[in-house]
Amino acid sequence: ETGVTQTPRHLVMGMTNKKSLKCEQHLGHNAMYWYKQSAKKPLELMFVYSLEERVENNSVPSRFSPECPNSSHLFLHLHTLQPEDSALYLCASSQDLRLFFGQGTRLTVV
Amino acid sequence: AQSVTQLDSQVPVFEEAPVELRCNYSSSVSVYLFWYVQYPNQGLQLLLKYLSGSTLVKSINGFEAEFNKSQTSFHLRKPSVHISDTAEYFCAVTPGYSSASKIIFGSGTRLSIRP
Repeated sequence: ETGVTQTPRHLVMGMTNKKSLKCEQHLGHNAMYWYKQSAKKPLELMFVYSLEERVENNSVPSRFSPECPNSSHLFLHLHTLQPEDSALYLCASSQDLRLFFGQGTRLTVV
Repeated sequence: AQSVTQLDSQVPVFEEAPVELRCNYSSSVSVYLFWYVQYPNQGLQLLLKYLSGSTLVKSINGFEAEFNKSQTSFHLRKPSVHISDTAEYFCAVTPGYSSASKIIFGSGTRLSIRP
């Protein structure tokens, strides 16, 4: 248990659906991250949020939309996804450059 | 931009044998380096990190890594592995210390221990 909770743990969605992934941390950390983990590929950094700024990977398609309403919650809104978006989506929070990961959401796009 | 290369996708070793997992990075600026481990059915967790000071850093379970600036490497070693070390190991790098630092990961190395 790292203190970072992701819901749901598993999600199957059609290409025309809209869904959201949720991440919650009560560690008092000041930054939160979304990563995409696909088999045999590097973890892909998608978005970083801190109190002062948002950083995004410019290669992330616009069908992924992050939202960070406060320092404890992070969402990833999904719409019109493609089958190649199927992956494990990991949320993490950080303090002093140390990342604390959630268990991830296994997303399957059909 | 920073990048991380882990050349070995899988490393099989016998129990009690030594192991080295290789990690090379590229960066035009100074970096901070990390190894994360993902045990079966668990999330990623920090194993060890190099921020400054001694180039040799150690974990509590016997792993160590050495930062080699001239070779841009941060290889992970253990002199004698145990079955419980079976996991996937990820090398990571970040260029800066800000509240929204980009932390870039390699593709991972799966360490499998044979009895």
